[in-house]
Amino acid sequence: EAQVTQNPRYLITVTGKKLTVTCSQNMNHEYMSWYRQDPGLGLRQIYYSMNVEVTDKGDVPEGYKVSRKEKRNFPLILESPSPNQTSLYFCASSPRPQETQYFGPGTRLLVL
Amino acid sequence: SQQGEEDPQALSIQEGENATMNCSYKTSINNLQWYRQNSGRGLVHLILIRSNEREKHSGRLRVTLDTSKKSSSLLITASRAADTASYFCATVNSGYSTLTFGKGTMLLVSP
Repeated sequence: EAQVTQNPRYLITVTGKKLTVTCSQNMNHEYMSWYRQDPGLGLRQIYYSMNVEVTDKGDVPEGYKVSRKEKRNFPLILESPSPNQTSLYFCASSPRPQETQYFGPGTRLLVL
Repeated sequence: SQQGEEDPQALSIQEGENATMNCSYKTSINNLQWYRQNSGRGLVHLILIRSNEREKHSGRLRVTLDTSKKSSSLLITASRAADTASYFCATVNSGYSTLTFGKGTMLLVSP
């Protein structure tokens, strides 16, 4: 089944404790991206990747890192999480950015 | 930066009625996409309309695009309770690298 998976689905952590949210797709898509969703603000893009080893900042990259060492994986790294990064995070993939995006189920993060 | 802006922010209707949501954007686009999100879940693609298209249909969905007014509308006909969700429009920037979503319209369909 074609899908985008994210792990974990729910995470509670404390300020400053490094964490990684994994994202994997099995559709051989070149384009992958991360979004955060906050009430009243909609979805905002954090980082995107056009292909392996090619990543770039979206609208809200501060406090986040990403890597794209393999085509299927695009982890989101929070080196030192802060409470303002409490949010619902989505990973998405597509053949190209202007084509249909396939979203993962989301990761709900709470930073205390 | 928010490119697409949906209107209204919230819409409440009865089953069987039609629901219309609008999206406005600021710069030229390659295409415009509509997505649905059930509460707290991942977004699901509904329909994509290219800049050279004016209207597109998919089942009970009808999307129009007016590039001169930089606006699009999504019509859901004969709505059902299962259509209750948030609906987002999204546009691709001129560099074809990022997809920007609006803040969404929350649709509530009551039985």
